[in-house]
Amino acid sequence: ETVLTQSPATLSLSPGERATLSCRASQSVPRYFAWYQQKPGQAPRLLIYDSSNRATGIPARFSGSGSGTDFTLTISSLEPEDFAVYYCQQGSNWPRTFGQGTKVEIK
Amino acid sequence: EVQLVESGGGLVQSGGSLRLSCAASGFTFRSHWMSWVRQAPGKGLEWLANINQDGSAVHYVDSVKGRITVSRDNAKNSLHLQLSSLRAEDTAVYYCVKDLLACGDYWGQGTLVTVST
Repeated sequence: ETVLTQSPATLSLSPGERATLSCRASQSVPRYFAWYQQKPGQAPRLLIYDSSNRATGIPARFSGSGSGTDFTLTISSLEPEDFAVYYCQQGSNWPRTFGQGTKVEIK
Repeated sequence: EVQLVESGGGLVQSGGSLRLSCAASGFTFRSHWMSWVRQAPGKGLEWLANINQDGSAVHYVDSVKGRITVSRDNAKNSLHLQLSSLRAEDTAVYYCVKDLLACGDYWGQGTLVTVST
């Protein structure tokens, strides 16, 4: 099973600041890497698929990068609605697995 | 507009079984892989299973293999999950998910299953 380790566990930032979230895989993920946002009481929302493609309706301040075993989600300038939990997910190897999540909280 | 609506959750006895359904609309259901993902209260996400377009290929995560059956009815645009021999650790919100390139581009609102011991 491909284990995904996200860091940091919690990121305390102010609106307008840049957020950089990391996800490291225990083995290579050739493609099919995604990022999601989840707010309390809601289902996850797809932000990024195939490592760097923004999903439908996702603002340009969200971007994904990386390959192999190291992936990054960047939020260029945090908006109030961006404070949430973020999960990475790989689909290259079965079973599909998620990271444990990074909480982005207001400083 | 894509809509996925789960049903069938609730309180179930330990050792019992459950059947969840997902009603899909707003897209060509028969053309897409579909999945089930669950989330225990206050915990992370676990991808349970996926099923191909005509139901001929189904993959299950090892943690539920042997207890789970996923099926679909393309005539009724519906997805189903059966889980047996329920345990406390099966308590979770179960999500129906539409696949896009091995990720989930649309999610239902989820249905809560609580296993009583």
